[in-house]
Amino acid sequence: ETGVTQTPRHLVMGMTNKKSLKCEQHLGHNAMYWYKQSAKKPLELMFVYSLEERVENNSVPSRFSPECPNSSHLFLHLHTLQPEDSALYLCASSLIARGDYNEQFFGPGTRLTVL
Amino acid sequence: AQSVTQLDSHVSVSEGTPVLLRCNYSSSYSPSLFWYVQHPNKGLQLLLKYTSAATLVKGINGFEAEFKKSETSFHLTKPSAHMSDAAEYFCVVSENPMNTGFQKLVFGTGTRLLVSP
Repeated sequence: ETGVTQTPRHLVMGMTNKKSLKCEQHLGHNAMYWYKQSAKKPLELMFVYSLEERVENNSVPSRFSPECPNSSHLFLHLHTLQPEDSALYLCASSLIARGDYNEQFFGPGTRLTVL
Repeated sequence: AQSVTQLDSHVSVSEGTPVLLRCNYSSSYSPSLFWYVQHPNKGLQLLLKYTSAATLVKGINGFEAEFKKSETSFHLTKPSAHMSDAAEYFCVVSENPMNTGFQKLVFGTGTRLLVSP
């Protein structure tokens, strides 16, 4: 256990559905991240929240909408997805501090299938 | 922009034999480099990190990596493979956006390590 939990672990949805992925960290961190892991492609950073403010949005389509209500919780709201959005979605958290590397701790991921 | 290239998509070894997973990086300045491991149905776990201190870095589970600036390489090694080492391994370089305090990680495509009895 890394201290980062994600629910659900598996999700199957149709292209017209609306669903949300949830991430929770119990490590006292103040930055949270969403990554997308597709088959045969490198992990892609999607969003970063630092101190509950979005600081990075990596050209992600608007059908993905992140929300960070507090430093412990991160959501990814999904609507009108496409089959190519099927992937493993990973959440991570870290401490914010300048001048040194602060390890990102990853959750187990949500396996998303879009039909 | 920073990037990493993992030269092998799959590596197969026998239990008890050495492991070598290759990684080359591209960076315009002195990089921070990492290896992460991902076991099936688990999240990524940090194995080791290089952040401009000693060039030979020791990590968990007997793994180590050597930073070679002249070769722009950061290969991961282990003297003797164990069945539990079978997993996907990712070489990662860090971009440190100015004035943000967070590390933007750039991942390689991964190397799947297969360990046979």
